[in-house]
Amino acid sequence: DSGVTQTPKHLITATGQRVTLRCSPRSGDLSVYWYQQSLDQGLQFLIHYYNGEERAKGNILERFSAQQFPDLHSELNLSSLELGDSALYFCASSVGRDSYNEQFFGPGTRLTVL
Amino acid sequence: DAKTTQPNSMESNEEEPVHLPCNHSTISGTDYIHWYRQLPSQGPEYVIHGLTSNVNNRMASLAIAEDRKSSTLILHRATLRDAAVYYCILRANAGGTSYGKLTFGQGTILTVHP
Repeated sequence: DSGVTQTPKHLITATGQRVTLRCSPRSGDLSVYWYQQSLDQGLQFLIHYYNGEERAKGNILERFSAQQFPDLHSELNLSSLELGDSALYFCASSVGRDSYNEQFFGPGTRLTVL
Repeated sequence: DAKTTQPNSMESNEEEPVHLPCNHSTISGTDYIHWYRQLPSQGPEYVIHGLTSNVNNRMASLAIAEDRKSSTLILHRATLRDAAVYYCILRANAGGTSYGKLTFGQGTILTVHP
């Protein structure tokens, strides 16, 4: 158990809908990262928040947005969903934002868009 | 981000040592070398990281070439639980807006035979 929690574990929805994925980092961790894992693209970095502020963006679509709240939990919002958005979404946390900090990954949310 | 090259797959027998190679010929002087692994149906898990010197922890050892253009992850006695995809990742050091993220490649699928 990494100490990172993600809800829900599974999500099934239809095209065009909007969903929210939630992540609670390990106690004391200020950084939250979101990753998407699909069969064709592998594991891809989406976005990084540190202590409430956006620090870096990766291959995140404009239909996707995220935020980190004062209690440090984070939400990833996916809107106008398409079939291709079906994937595993992982959240990871780390104590800081530096490259020597290890990241702890949650169990993921499996999103299925029908 | 500097690229890494790993073999697609490797096999080992239980209780034997495993050496997982990684080439990173374009590594910059301040890039950290990180290894993560992903067990089936789980999120990635941190294994080890280093900068210049060899590193040991309870999970594995990391041997870094003197010119830093390659590294080897060493599992001293493979167990069935070590069967996973192993990712070698270079992380840019602090100073840029993207230094915190992990850029995953295809990784090496390690199969451990009983």
